[in-house]
Amino acid sequence: GAVVSQHPSWVICKSGTSVKIECRSLDFQATTMFWYRQFPKQSLMLMATSNEGSKATYEQGVEKDKFLINHASLTLSTLTVTSAHPEDSSFYICSARGRELAGGPRTDTQYFGPGTRLTVL
Amino acid sequence: GEDVEQSLFLSVREGDSSVINCTYTDSSSTYLYWYKQEPGAGLQLLTYIFSNMDMKQDQRLTVLLNKKDKHLSLRIADTQTGDSAIYFCAGRGGGNKLTFGTGTQLKVEL
Repeated sequence: GAVVSQHPSWVICKSGTSVKIECRSLDFQATTMFWYRQFPKQSLMLMATSNEGSKATYEQGVEKDKFLINHASLTLSTLTVTSAHPEDSSFYICSARGRELAGGPRTDTQYFGPGTRLTVL
Repeated sequence: GEDVEQSLFLSVREGDSSVINCTYTDSSSTYLYWYKQEPGAGLQLLTYIFSNMDMKQDQRLTVLLNKKDKHLSLRIADTQTGDSAIYFCAGRGGGNKLTFGTGTQLKVEL
């Protein structure tokens, strides 16, 4: 299966600072990337969907000015949490869907990254 | 939107079979998935079933789908301690979005 990486795997920051999380597809072209957040002992909640080269589509209740998503290439999407506060502390997971071979058919399977643990003090 | 429910916790003894259940509300879900999440890690796709199938078997894993009752189950045969994790079912519906269940924590005891 395809591999998706995230960086950093964990980050601790002070309240008011911004944090950028990277999501990379290592061996396939990610035409669509998804960003989720997961609170302790809870399920994954979809935050936004981004297609390469387009603006992200945010789920209801997710502030687009606070959670900036950039999907500038077929292998990289970034999530920036701006002016982070303690309530933003969570586990952020990305997933990617796309073409496993250049020019090949698009697959619908989502491959998940290992997640980024964000703690805002 | 879709609502996906799972029981929260299941405890089994090593070597026994585990059955994790999931109910969903959106009958238009085209694919239904099972993911495994180990502590502090992302999600690992275990298996999936297309909505026009009743059963799918993949080594120790058996997925059963009852479309009438909107019920999905994952059976793990010969459960091992390495199977201890949280298991999520997810349905793929409109817009190709995944809606995840609440997750079932599986604990395998010796």
